[in-house]
Amino acid sequence: DAGVTQSPTHLIKTRGQQVTLRCSPISGHKSVSWYQQVLGQGPQFIFQYYEKEERGRGNFPDRFSARQFPNYSSELNVNALLLGDSALYLCASSLVSYLPETQYFGPGTRLLVL
Amino acid sequence: GESVGLHLPTLSVQEGDNSIINCAYSNSASDYFIWYKQESGKGPQFIIDIRSNMDKRQGQRVTVLLNKTVKHLSLQIAATQPGDSAVYFCAQSGGADGLTFGKGTHLIIQP
Repeated sequence: DAGVTQSPTHLIKTRGQQVTLRCSPISGHKSVSWYQQVLGQGPQFIFQYYEKEERGRGNFPDRFSARQFPNYSSELNVNALLLGDSALYLCASSLVSYLPETQYFGPGTRLLVL
Repeated sequence: GESVGLHLPTLSVQEGDNSIINCAYSNSASDYFIWYKQESGKGPQFIIDIRSNMDKRQGQRVTVLLNKTVKHLSLQIAATQPGDSAVYFCAQSGGADGLTFGKGTHLIIQP
């Protein structure tokens, strides 16, 4: 079975631009979470979606938004990019969101903002 | 806010020796803990998990120990191999608030 997939793998943008990152969860998983990982640090929680609804949000500005589709795939959007948004963006999926359980991560999208 | 932290940023061990990676957590309300391994250029890979009603759990070559009294978590890797070289993160589940990760420990295997 395929694991979590993300696209694109790498992306270069300039300040002020907008970016959309995509994620497909493991088959059968209904919850998708997004994390930002800055070089040298652990991932930071951005959003969690379950059954197409936002269930949790981390300490990120409103420039960050996301959505989940009926097939449980998800998109993360970041507007008005800043240099500090350069990071590895990770998507993780799990069966449900209302129980503490393992989240399985994709390979990430590496975003560079110039 | 709550955080999960690791004691050592880098751990160097000889191939074949056992490795012990430590983690301190601050959110005593968390009831689920996970260890992840992250190789360069890849996403975190699940290694082993433990719930708060347990103090030890074993997998293949790995053991996780949980000491709730001192809020300490450890990962033991037996007979360390070159393929074990990676950054190891402990994380605690916050339910809909996602996972809280520490900064990671870089495990280096010496030949």
